[in-house]
Amino acid sequence: DVKVTQSSRYLVKRTGEKVFLECVQDMDHENMFWYRQDPGLGLRLIYFSYDVKMKEKGDIPEGYSVSREKKERFSLILESASTNQTSMYLCASKQGTLSMGYTFGSGTRLTVV
Amino acid sequence: AQRVTQPEKLLSVFKGAPVELKCNYSYSGSPELFWYVQYSRQRLQLLLRHISRESIKGFTADLNKGETSFHLKKPFAQEEDSAMYYCALFFTSGSRLTFGEGTQLTVNP
Repeated sequence: DVKVTQSSRYLVKRTGEKVFLECVQDMDHENMFWYRQDPGLGLRLIYFSYDVKMKEKGDIPEGYSVSREKKERFSLILESASTNQTSMYLCASKQGTLSMGYTFGSGTRLTVV
Repeated sequence: AQRVTQPEKLLSVFKGAPVELKCNYSYSGSPELFWYVQYSRQRLQLLLRHISRESIKGFTADLNKGETSFHLKKPFAQEEDSAMYYCALFFTSGSRLTFGEGTQLTVNP
């Protein structure tokens, strides 16, 4: 019954590495989102996409980029990982422009050493 | 600018006691507010939304536009209510959710 799948649960990368976080949804949703979740800071939106090949910056896009080549897949890219990007990353998807229907993935815990 | 504030990072109560998780927002438009919950090792999920005015798992939340608040309440807390709770604001111009900082609720036996 898993609908939003994040490919890795735990990831350890070195400073300066290029990192790819993958998210796949099987609900044919138009919208996909990447958040990072930090204690005391809550969830902060990094990037989102409302259609294939479309992307919008969220509140904290610096140091990240995204790719949406297919409707079901939304990738978050850290061009050169830094220790301050150590965090839990959550992917979400939803259909349409309404406020309801967000489905979240189980998260990827990224540690940059 | 749109903003959601949860002033308490941690909240600890005893089983059977009332609990209130505070949420304040700032938004120039007509707000849509939600409470999301994340139980240990589970995905973030919707708990309730202000429009539906429903009670879920004994929780209720009332939108107070005068005080710009959307506090979450439960009269008798249960141990299974222990979780991280996030208040969230949906603003239509960006068609996205903005979350507060979260409150970790612990219900002690």
